Amino acid sequence: AQSVSQHNHHVILSEAASLELGCNYSYGGTVNLFWYVQYPGQHLQLLLKYFSGDPLVKGIKGFEAEFIKSKFSFNLRKPSVQWSDTAEYFCAVLTNFGNEKLTFGTGTRLTIIP
Amino acid sequence: EPEVTQTPSHQVTQMGQEVILRCVPISNHLYFYWYRQILGQKVEFLVSFYNNEISEKSEIFDDQFSVERPDGSNFTLKIRSTKLEDSAMYFCASRRAQGAREQYFGPGTRLTVT
Repeated sequence: AQSVSQHNHHVILSEAASLELGCNYSYGGTVNLFWYVQYPGQHLQLLLKYFSGDPLVKGIKGFEAEFIKSKFSFNLRKPSVQWSDTAEYFCAVLTNFGNEKLTFGTGTRLTIIP
Repeated sequence: EPEVTQTPSHQVTQMGQEVILRCVPISNHLYFYWYRQILGQKVEFLVSFYNNEISEKSEIFDDQFSVERPDGSNFTLKIRSTKLEDSAMYFCASRRAQGAREQYFGPGTRLTVT
């Protein structure tokens, strides 16, 4: 069965610092990859997604992620974080394209210090 | 922009009681999901629903759980006899159609079983 690992459980950064959150998945076939964000008290929102094509995908709010197939990774990056980026970030993988159920990682809590 | 809504935001119940968690998916969406997140753990798939029937369920989704779309707008998750370990955040999600892979999530219902 597929699985998703997010090794950073809690990341604390100062504003303007660069961010990289790790995401690795285990599945040998075709995958679709997602990053969701959950701001305090709000619902899960899609940050970005990879289906095919250019492995470097850009999402909302200045986030981007790179799909590296050989490393089974889909790390999330942002060159300069803001206090408003404080949230929980979830990586998810879709492998069953019929039913489309998502398999999530454990999430990374990001705290930005002003 | 249309959103998935869930009620209540927080439900406290005693062990052994029945609870019904309610979701209103986005109106033209056809696929519906429930996920849950136990505190400190990953978001886990529970069940998917399409064309008025369950299309897939996880091993968590045992006979104590049921789902229903009673009136064409609501999508409910019922737990017949709650256990302490059912305490979690429950997320509803919906997806527009086959091939549209993005799932839109609701804000979640926090279920506390005492």
